[in-house]
Amino acid sequence: DAMVIQNPRYQVTQFGKPVTLSCSQTLNHNVMYWYQQKSSQAPKLLFHYYDKDFNNEADTPDNFQSRRPNTSFCFLDIRSPGLGDAAMYLCATSREESSYEQYFGPGTRLTVT
Amino acid sequence: DQQVKQNSPSLSVQEGRISILNCDYTNSMFDYFLWYKKYPAEGPTFLISISSIKDKNEDGRFTVFLNKSAKHLSLHIVPSQPGDSAVYFCAASPYSSASKIIFGSGTRLSIRP
Repeated sequence: DAMVIQNPRYQVTQFGKPVTLSCSQTLNHNVMYWYQQKSSQAPKLLFHYYDKDFNNEADTPDNFQSRRPNTSFCFLDIRSPGLGDAAMYLCATSREESSYEQYFGPGTRLTVT
Repeated sequence: DQQVKQNSPSLSVQEGRISILNCDYTNSMFDYFLWYKKYPAEGPTFLISISSIKDKNEDGRFTVFLNKSAKHLSLHIVPSQPGDSAVYFCAASPYSSASKIIFGSGTRLSIRP
């Protein structure tokens, strides 16, 4: 089945220790997104890639970076995690930037100790 | 500044009855609206959508109604089934930027026997 896969499902990191979350997709979609969702809040878009073009949201902290080495993979790097970065991180894809429907992975829950 | 608001965090409905989930938005630039459904430990999945040129869209047991003058949309599920128990996210996007979907905080629907 074509899908969006996120690894790991649970990640624990220490305050200030860099961490990388990964996402892969077998849908061959051109667009990949990263969302942050804190408890009982709306998923918030951090950035997205259209092919290799990176699009950062204006209010995404500099502490968050992303890499997309190829069509299938996208990584979220948090350079110096703070306690406030503890959240569920959702990866999603869409066929094109003009496509409204997005396909989500199951998410990675990040804990910062 | 929440542009998409789901004011009911939770809703309990008896099996077989109608479930009505509500959503309000503030940005008049939104012209495409979506509902996503999320089960525990899974990512959100697309359920149904509506364009601003319509006021109703139906797909099986699911109907979305849009009232542009009131900036309000609702999702009706008839009849409600146990498998409908999930968190439902309302989302909106401006036509000019389909990739920029703004989500609400979700409503947890519980279908009781």
